[in-house]
Parts: sequence; structure tokens; C-alpha cells
Amino acid sequence: DQQVKQNSPSLSVQEGRISILNCDYTNSMFDYFLWYKKYPAEGPTFLISISSIKDKNEDGRFTVFLNKSAKHLSLHIVPSQPGDSAVYFCAAQLYGGSQGNLIFGKGTKLSVKP
Amino acid sequence: DAEITQSPRHKITETGRQVTLACHQTWNHNNMFWYRQDLGHGLRLIHYSYGVQDTNKGEVSDGYSVSRSNTEDLPLTLESAASSQTSVYFCASSEGKTQYFGPGTRLLVL
Repeated sequence: DQQVKQNSPSLSVQEGRISILNCDYTNSMFDYFLWYKKYPAEGPTFLISISSIKDKNEDGRFTVFLNKSAKHLSLHIVPSQPGDSAVYFCAAQLYGGSQGNLIFGKGTKLSVKP
Repeated sequence: DAEITQSPRHKITETGRQVTLACHQTWNHNNMFWYRQDLGHGLRLIHYSYGVQDTNKGEVSDGYSVSRSNTEDLPLTLESAASSQTSVYFCASSEGKTQYFGPGTRLLVL
């Protein structure tokens, strides 16, 4: 049973526009969420995270929103750039899991067209 | 700069052979993890360790083992390689909630 779901395998947007990547989760015991970006032939790199006590976290062009009642989070990239083209993974951590065990979604491939 | 490295980056082996993938980190992190990435599955946890002499099974641990004799290294061993273990393997380390990943090892089992 998949606890972290990224229902869109791919997303295509124009350069300069907003990219919105979505992630749903089923376990209400998750209390920390992360987004990773992955380029081909490289390891995932940490992008941004959010604690369940917040509903928004912003870092430059990247903002993550958390809606706990809907068990939904989203990553907004504004403005999108061609270099943002990559696979984005959503990950979640259980409450009390201080040592970093993460559960990942299957990823969404973002393509930003010039 | 501190980093995490994996070797080899590419490996071809035959069914039934024992294979060991290396992972080395210089951050002095206590927590280390091994994942495999397959199309349609995302990243799945194989084994993890919270410190020297500590090892734990993850979601897809069958056919794999790890050992932790020091802080820096967590080698992953495929006891008898199977074609189903053809995948890309990632090692990660953390000292808290954020994991940092190595560049990956692409393994092909023929």
C-alpha cells in the first residue's frame, strides 16, 4: 500500500511560468516532508522541506505548501527555468522518526520548455 | 568538502555471483541508508544503519545484506545476484531529518 503518492508521472510547463508538483499521503503520523530533485545519472539532491507544524515554507523560487487536513502537499516553482527539468520526489517521515527514515513517492518528471 | 561516494558507478555481473557495492561518506553521519530505484517504483529502502554495528532491514531487503564496521562505510552485498536485482542503487547518509545521496551505482545482472 503506497503511503506517499505522486499521481502525475510527468508535467510540462513553459519557461517563466509556475510549476506545481503535487503529493498526497495516507499516514497521518507523518510529520516531516521533503522534496528532492534528481537529474539523470545523478543522485537525488535535497531541495526543500516542511514540518507538519507549518503550512508553508519558502526558499527562493521554491515554495512548499502543506494541507494536513487533506493530507496533501505541493511544490511550487516560480518562475520555472529549463534547468529545473528533472524528476522530483516527495518524501515523508514518521512522527518521532528523528533519524531520517523516509518514505518516497514514485516521482514526477518535470520538463520546462524554453 | 565532505561528501558521499559510491563505487563502482557501473557494474555488470552474472546471475548467482556475489556482488558488493561500496558507500563511503566523510560527513561523520551516524545514519546511512541503501535504496534501489526502479521504473514505476521510485526509491525503495533496502537496509539502513543508525551507527556502528547497527543494521536494519528495509522494505526490500531480501537477497541483500549490509555491515557497519565504522562510521564512514556501509557496503551493500548481494549474496547471489538475480536478474530482478538489476537496478540503480543509491546510498544516503543523514544526521537528522535530511538525507544526502551519493551518485548511484547502476547494476546489471545477466
